[in-house]
Amino acid sequence: GAVVSQHPSWVICKSGTSVKIECRSLDFQATTMFWYRQFPKQSLMLMATSNEGSKATYEQGVEKDKFLINHASLTLSTLTVTSAHPEDSSFYICSARSVQGPPTGEQYFGPGTRLTVT
Amino acid sequence: AQSVTQLDSQVPVFEEAPVELRCNYSSSVSVYLFWYVQYPNQGLQLLLKYLSGSTLVKGINGFEAEFNKSQTSFHLRKPSVHISDTAEYFCAVSERSNDYKLSFGAGTTVTVRA
Repeated sequence: GAVVSQHPSWVICKSGTSVKIECRSLDFQATTMFWYRQFPKQSLMLMATSNEGSKATYEQGVEKDKFLINHASLTLSTLTVTSAHPEDSSFYICSARSVQGPPTGEQYFGPGTRLTVT
Repeated sequence: AQSVTQLDSQVPVFEEAPVELRCNYSSSVSVYLFWYVQYPNQGLQLLLKYLSGSTLVKGINGFEAEFNKSQTSFHLRKPSVHISDTAEYFCAVSERSNDYKLSFGAGTTVTVRA
């Protein structure tokens, strides 16, 4: 149980184009999903918190107009990297928090999406 | 705000030897503690978690961790490692004041050699 999927697993796009990454909770409902960015050999950096039916909350320093997040249902959140540039190349990981049970912070992680902007 | 320190950035270890990965956190309130493992080009998989109760927590793949409140530590151990344990390990903490978001340590790279 508690499986999170991401699509695509890897994507290559040209500079200036937009890319959408999907994050789905497959067997549970998630009112809250998180988007992280991970650089090589580094830890995860939280980009934003996505709440179903409301606007995402972005961490300091993250451009909300560049990284558009939509959480339209209890099982789907999307991250769109708009006008991508080579510096946006990274490994993007989503996670989800189940609606069930008391809050503990436990998150279920997707397999990640490798974005390469050429 | 809580912070997490993983004291070892890299831990080389021989197969079948024991390993300990150290994690300390800074928080004055009740916290929840997690250890995650990340294999190359993959997401994070939960190894174990401490929510309450017994301070010795057993997880998957033979890992265990001990919560020590007085030392604000949550060290991860495995008595005998396998080649397949080669991965990146992250300690994480959550607490109510931060809306239960996870704060991650910098990670520890474990390399198991034959």
